[in-house]
Parts: sequence; structure tokens; C-alpha cells
Amino acid sequence: DIVMTQSPDSLAVSLGERATINCKSSQSVLYSSNNKNYLAWYQQKPGQPPKLLIYWASTRESGVPDRFSGSGSGTDFTLTISSLQAEDVAVYYCQQYYSTLALTFGGGTKVEIK
Amino acid sequence: EVQLVESGGGLVQPGGSLRLSCAASGFTFSSYWMHWVRQAPGKGLVWVSRINSDGSSTSYADSVKGRFTISRDNAKNTLYLQMNSLRAEDTAVYYCARVPADVSNWNPEYFQHWGQGTLVTVSS
Repeated sequence: DIVMTQSPDSLAVSLGERATINCKSSQSVLYSSNNKNYLAWYQQKPGQPPKLLIYWASTRESGVPDRFSGSGSGTDFTLTISSLQAEDVAVYYCQQYYSTLALTFGGGTKVEIK
Repeated sequence: EVQLVESGGGLVQPGGSLRLSCAASGFTFSSYWMHWVRQAPGKGLVWVSRINSDGSSTSYADSVKGRFTISRDNAKNTLYLQMNSLRAEDTAVYYCARVPADVSNWNPEYFQHWGQGTLVTVSS
């Protein structure tokens, strides 16, 4: 299985400041035939199901605020919240969908307000 | 509006069985692959199983292979997960999830829509 490793496990950021979450895959999730990175990001608030934020590593889902952005390619990816808002307090997960044998998630990163 | 509503969770003894259901509405259920994802209390997300649009193809995580069976009834717009030989480590919230339409044949298995989940507790 492709192992997804997120860092840090948690971070505290001041309101209006930038939050950066990293996700590393144990093998490349870039599919050469279409040049797409098979990587998604989710936000999960307490007591709620996950919500899709980003897919294809950098495509924002409809309705997601533009302060959320995804970048990276191959094995190294980043989710950036450009200006943290109170409603962004949540756990964030990356997920690879390159290997259809087993879809795998990162361990999650908890974002809090400093 | 896409809606996925899980049901069937509860308390079951180790070795027991349970069948989860996921009622879908707001989209053409028979056109989409569907998945189950679980989350143990305080832990991360773990993919469990998938089924293709007509139910002819299924796959499972190694941790549930041989014990769980995914199925669907497209006439009833419902997804199922039959769970047998349950273990304490199967305790989790179980979510059904829908992937987007594969219009480009790129196999986009990210989860665009999620249900609210149903809690399964395996304990004596």
C-alpha cells in the first residue's frame, strides 16, 4: 500500500496568518499518461464527516474558499490556508487515489488557533 | 442535492454480525461507484471497500477481506455493508461515500460526498 505521511501532527496559527500542512507519499502518485497527481485533501470538523477541499492535488472543489490551496507533485504535497479563519479549526487529511488496490489517507493534521 | 444516509450501526458482541445500509438520493445512484470508509474513535480515516456502478466488481481492504461484503441495490438506491466475524478493532464510525463521475476515464476515486456516518461498537 502507498503510505501517506502528514506533518506536523498539529499546529497552532494566529487568526489571519498562514497555515501549511505537508503530505508525503511513499511512492509517486503522479500518473504519467494524464500528468495528474492522484491526491486529495479533506477537512473534518468535530462530529462531522470529512469535506472535500482539493482534488488532483491543486483543484479546489466548488464552494471551497480560495484561501485554501493545494500544491506539489510526485511524492510531496502541501495544503495552504493563506489567512486562517476561526471556522478553519479542524483536522485535515490527505488521500491518494493512485493505487486502486488500496486507497489510503494520511494520519491527519489538527489545526488550532494560537 | 446529494444525500447519503447511513443506518444499521449499533453495539454487537465480538464474532457477531451487522449489516449497514446507505440510502442515496439526489443523484442517479446506478451511475456511480460507491465506497465505505471508517474512522475509529479519535483516529484517522481508513478506506474499507468499494463497489462499481452495477455491483459486478468489488474490492476490500486487507483488514476486512473475507469478513465484510459490500453490495448494492440500484432499484432501491441503497448501498450495503455486511459485516461478519466482527472484532473489537472494527469499532468505528462507518461512512458511505460517493466518488465523482469518471467522465474522462481517469478513475478519480476521491470522495466528493459523504454521509453522516453510523457508529459500530464491537464489545462484550
